[in-house]
Amino acid sequence: AQTVTQSQPEMSVQEAETVTLSCTYDTSENNYYLFWYKQPPSRQMILVIRQEAYKQQNATENRFSVNFQKAAKSFSLKISDSQLGDTAMYFCAFTEGGGNKLVFGAGTILRVKS
Amino acid sequence: AAGVIQSPRHLIKEKRETATLKCYPIPRHDTVYWYQQGPGQDPQFLISFYEKMQSDKGSIPDRFSAQQFSDYHSELNMSSLELGDSALYFCASSETGTALNLYGYTFGSGTRLTVV
Repeated sequence: AQTVTQSQPEMSVQEAETVTLSCTYDTSENNYYLFWYKQPPSRQMILVIRQEAYKQQNATENRFSVNFQKAAKSFSLKISDSQLGDTAMYFCAFTEGGGNKLVFGAGTILRVKS
Repeated sequence: AAGVIQSPRHLIKEKRETATLKCYPIPRHDTVYWYQQGPGQDPQFLISFYEKMQSDKGSIPDRFSAQQFSDYHSELNMSSLELGDSALYFCASSETGTALNLYGYTFGSGTRLTVV
């Protein structure tokens, strides 16, 4: 069974600085997809960024980028120029290629301080 | 743009009562997924439907049932409610063959169920 591990329950960062959230996963599949979701206090689940396992190039979406290390099964999220609105719970999630369901990590609470 | 609509937003029920949660997917989305997120926990997959047929099943209790209707909306029926069923219930939708793996789901805002 696939598992997703987020080892940082909570993180803090100063506004405008950079922070990296860690995620590791375990799978025997070769074709899969990884996601980072943001859940602000409103509890809405918002897709931040995604990565296809067959792509070596790290995904980037504006201030958000990932460091995907397939051999190490690591998928960290880097947030640059942190903003107060980035304060939220961040979930790393996995789905196998052709799969149906998302498997989530336990989440990391990120607090951006002014 | 239209999003996934869930109703009600909040629901309070007593133990042993029944609850029905509704989900209206984004137009043209033919697949619906249900997740349960307990307090301080990550979302857990319950069940999914594609073209009105159950496509996958997760950790859904036998007391719960769900279905997808001809207009693609879905309902999650929960009977003999227990205190432990108190959670945020998310619905998500996708368009088969494109959205899930390429773009991830689109989640609704969730229904917060409180069992007292």
